[in-house]
Amino acid sequence: SQKIEQNSEALNIQEGKTATLTCNYTNYSPAYLQWYRQDPGRGPVFLLLIRENEKEKRKERLKVTFDTTLKQSLFHITASQPADSATYLCALEPPYTSGTYKYIFGTGTRLKVLA
Amino acid sequence: NAGVTQTPKFQVLKTGQSMTLQCAQDMNHEYMSWYRQDPGMGLRLIHYSVGAGITDQGEVPNGYNVSRSTTEDFPLRLLSAAPSQTSVYFCASSRTPTTNQPQHFGDGTRLSIL
Repeated sequence: SQKIEQNSEALNIQEGKTATLTCNYTNYSPAYLQWYRQDPGRGPVFLLLIRENEKEKRKERLKVTFDTTLKQSLFHITASQPADSATYLCALEPPYTSGTYKYIFGTGTRLKVLA
Repeated sequence: NAGVTQTPKFQVLKTGQSMTLQCAQDMNHEYMSWYRQDPGMGLRLIHYSVGAGITDQGEVPNGYNVSRSTTEDFPLRLLSAAPSQTSVYFCASSRTPTTNQPQHFGDGTRLSIL
């Protein structure tokens, strides 16, 4: 079955540095992959979507890459700030089976940016 | 501009009690879904709906029922609560079922079963 792996250990980095989070998936390459941010006590908030034919996508200080050969997506936050501290989740859709739409989320990586 | 609204925010139940978690969206989205989030397990899909009158099971449907009589509302029912259902429950919606659309989440219902 489809599986997503994100580093379950927290990532601590110094303010101003670039944070890089990893999302690895197995068994097949999805057409799209999404990244979300989740703050404590809140629901996930959508950040970026990348398509399989896009190598890279940027939005302000955020950058996502999608390597279908490695079956991996990397999520970068440049010039990180303490306000970027949160848990980041990746999500994808398993192989389409007629009439079903079941999405899978990774467990998320907790990022802490130290001032 | 409410987005996805979940009620209640917190609830404590005794084993065997029944309860309905409410979810409403005001974006006219086709797709709605329920997830539970447990430590170390991530978000797991319980049930989803691709439109009024159409629902299907997700990864962990046992012990939960859903219905979708309107586009806006997608309630989740626990028929006989069990301690294993202690979790944080999130409702989400998106314009269409495919993952080229972002999902919009509510802020969750924190449910404890004693």
